[in-house]
Amino acid sequence: GAVVSQHPSRVICKSGTSVKIECRSLDFQATTMFWYRQFPKQSLMLMATSNEGSKATYEQGVEKDKFLINHASLTLSTLTVTSAHPEDSSFYICSARGGGRNYGYTFGSGTRLTVV
Amino acid sequence: GDSVTQMEGPVTLSEEAFLTINCTYTATGYPSLFWYVQYPGEGLQLLLKATKADDKGSNKGFEATYRKETTSFHLEKGSVQVSDSAVYFCALSDGPYKYIFGTGTRLKVLA
Repeated sequence: GAVVSQHPSRVICKSGTSVKIECRSLDFQATTMFWYRQFPKQSLMLMATSNEGSKATYEQGVEKDKFLINHASLTLSTLTVTSAHPEDSSFYICSARGGGRNYGYTFGSGTRLTVV
Repeated sequence: GDSVTQMEGPVTLSEEAFLTINCTYTATGYPSLFWYVQYPGEGLQLLLKATKADDKGSNKGFEATYRKETTSFHLEKGSVQVSDSAVYFCALSDGPYKYIFGTGTRLKVLA
């Protein structure tokens, strides 16, 4: 079945640095990818939707200059947390929607980001 | 706006016990309802879904019925196994691309 690989699974970084999270669809072409974040004891919240070759669409309240999303190919989307601060510490997870016969949503395994 | 509320965990059960994880929702339209499961180190996987009122989704011994009158979609399993230990997310979708998730409930099953 469809597999989405998300990397890294855990990352610890210092305040002020940037962190890149990758989301790859391994056996299908993902026309649309989604990025979610989850704070402790809260829901998974959609941050943004990205379509291959175009700019991401951000949900209300999500800073696009802070959370840079690049969906340069049909198999790769990246989320870069720029100038990270402790309040950015969270669980980030991507999902991908394939085209063609694969219209389902497949989730990555998530990334636990800790900013110290 | 639309929202999903599910019971806080963790839920700890002995093997072969009966499981219920409550989920209620608020929505202005007629959403589809889902249960996702996340095993340690893996992504969310669709466990079951229901697309309209009174539909029952089922998979791997788990069941949930779309109850419009009580706006609920409780997850049940008659006899849990250690391998069912995971985090369970209730979710709704009332349009393309838009999922709204609950907070997740961690289930721990003891042998």
